[in-house]
Amino acid sequence: DQQVKQNSPSLSVQEGRISILNCDYTNSMFDYFLWYKKYPAEGPTFLISISSIKDKNEDGRFTVFLNKSAKHLSLHIVPSQPGDSAVYFCAASALIQGAQKLVFGQGTRLTINP
Amino acid sequence: DAGVIQSPRHEVTEMGQEVTLRCKPISGHNSLFWYRQTMMRGLELLIYFNNNVPIDDSGMPEDRFSAKMPNASFSTLKIQPSEPRDSAVYFCASSRSGKSTYEQYFGPGTRLTVT
Repeated sequence: DQQVKQNSPSLSVQEGRISILNCDYTNSMFDYFLWYKKYPAEGPTFLISISSIKDKNEDGRFTVFLNKSAKHLSLHIVPSQPGDSAVYFCAASALIQGAQKLVFGQGTRLTINP
Repeated sequence: DAGVIQSPRHEVTEMGQEVTLRCKPISGHNSLFWYRQTMMRGLELLIYFNNNVPIDDSGMPEDRFSAKMPNASFSTLKIQPSEPRDSAVYFCASSRSGKSTYEQYFGPGTRLTVT
């Protein structure tokens, strides 16, 4: 069962425009949500996160929105830049026996066109 | 800070051989995670340790896979015998456990090819 879903495997956006990546989850026990960015031949790197008690978190060009009732979160990147081209993973976190366990979505490949 | 270190970066082996992947977490981190990334299944958690103790190994695909963490600065993931379907990129990640810190820091991964 896929507890965290990213239904768009790829997304293409023009430079300077807004990129919106979406993620849905099914487990109400998740208490923290994160976005990771991955370049080829590298490990995923943490980008931005949001607690389940908030509905928005902003960091520079990146904003994450959480809609708990819909079990949906999204990542907005504005303005989009060529260096943003990467695979983006949504992850949901639950505290299990003292450690944060992350469940990842399948990833969305974002391509920013000049 | 050197980050999470994994070795080797690439491994090519024949079916039936034993494969050992290594990981050194970030100093001071007390949680360690092994993930596998494939095209079909994406990024999936195999096992994680907290304070060197395995907490959840439900993601380990079968008995051919085993993981150890003999001390706070070293972990191994072993596959014996290896099979072609084990070909994937294996990531190690570490974090500080507890409610105040949720982010996991990933290593560069080991690309395993089993022929």
